[in-house]
Amino acid sequence: GAVVSQHPSWVICKSGTSVKIECRSLDFQATTMFWYRQFPKQSLMLMATSNEGSKATYEQGVEKDKFLINHASLTLSTLTVTSAHPEDSSFYICSARTGSRSYEQYFGPGTRLTVT
Amino acid sequence: DAKTTQPPSMDCAEGRAANLPCNHSTISGNEYVYWYRQIHSQGPQYIIHGLKNNETNEMASLIITEDRKSSTLILPHATLRDTAVYYCIVTSNFGNEKLTFGTGTRLTIIP
Repeated sequence: GAVVSQHPSWVICKSGTSVKIECRSLDFQATTMFWYRQFPKQSLMLMATSNEGSKATYEQGVEKDKFLINHASLTLSTLTVTSAHPEDSSFYICSARTGSRSYEQYFGPGTRLTVT
Repeated sequence: DAKTTQPPSMDCAEGRAANLPCNHSTISGNEYVYWYRQIHSQGPQYIIHGLKNNETNEMASLIITEDRKSSTLILPHATLRDTAVYYCIVTSNFGNEKLTFGTGTRLTIIP
């Protein structure tokens, strides 16, 4: 149980275009979803926290107009990278939490974004 | 959340116990110690967590010192599949707490 999927697993896009990444909790309802970004050889950096039906809370330094997060249901959150640039190339990982406890947080397999 | 300090890398022979240390000297009374690992190009995987008592599950054991300022994750019989980056995270278990990942320890299991 407690499986989180991401789609696509990898994507290549041209500079200036937008890319949408989906995060789904397959067998549970997620009260909260998180989006992380990981550059090569670096740790995961939290980008934003979203609760179903409300606006996402972005971490300091993350542009909310560039990284649009929609958490429309208890099983789906989407991250849209708008007007992507090569520096946005990264590994994007989502996680979903069933309750309020940290051990109830499950991570997706990640999406590799390459902007050319 | 309290800051954690881990060695950047460690090697361990296959079949031996891997002992991964973590210092968290500023941990507060309501903060838990969590361990996650990340195998290359995958999402993090939960391993174990604890407050002050030692914990064991099917994956690992967690030993927390009495003063709670440090802990050790033990993988009892390491296999090649245990090669990963291991993250020690300290966070509260209440409310909307966030997992903040540090640099972790890159564990390499050697055949």
